[in-house]
Amino acid sequence: KAGVTQTPRYLIKTRGQQVTLSCSPISGHRSVSWYQQTPGQGLQFLFEYFSETQRNKGNFPGRFSGRQFSNSRSEMNVSTLELGDSALYLCASSLGTVVSDGYTFGSGTRLTVV
Amino acid sequence: DAKTTQPPSMDCAEGRAANLPCNHSTISGNEYVYWYRQIHSQGPQYIIHGLKNNETNEMASLIITEDRKSSTLILPHATLRDTAVYYCIVALYTGRRALTFGSGTRLQVQP
Repeated sequence: KAGVTQTPRYLIKTRGQQVTLSCSPISGHRSVSWYQQTPGQGLQFLFEYFSETQRNKGNFPGRFSGRQFSNSRSEMNVSTLELGDSALYLCASSLGTVVSDGYTFGSGTRLTVV
Repeated sequence: DAKTTQPPSMDCAEGRAANLPCNHSTISGNEYVYWYRQIHSQGPQYIIHGLKNNETNEMASLIITEDRKSSTLILPHATLRDTAVYYCIVALYTGRRALTFGSGTRLQVQP
């Protein structure tokens, strides 16, 4: 079966711009989570969506936002990009709302802000 | 979520068992132990999880001590493709969904 698909794989943006990243979960999965990975901070939780509702949010500024559509696909948006937003952004999907469902991660979108 | 402590790096010979330890001395009674790994340039991959009993699946075995303050992930016959960063995570079964990744253990399987 198809895995979690994230697009684009690579992205270069300029400071001050905004960016939208896309995630298509595994078919049938209704929960989508987003993580940011940087060399300095490691993997950090951004937010989680289930059935189009944000269920949980990490400690990130309001410039980071997301949404989920009725087909479970999710997008995250970062506005007013800063150099420190350069990172690998990972999306993870799971069947439902229990952690033991086992998250399946995508390969990520590598964002570079210049 | 309880914090975990893992050695920063380990080496293992190909074909031998890799035993990756994790300390989680502040784990609470309803928290599970999860293991994920991340191969370079890929997203983390779920390996196994457990509460208090030892668990085994096609990828690995998980041994949790009786007091649940530590655990060991065992890869029975490590291959070069098992070279990765391994994360031990403690999390509730339900409710708060965010996984808190620590620094993990970088396992290098040597030929």
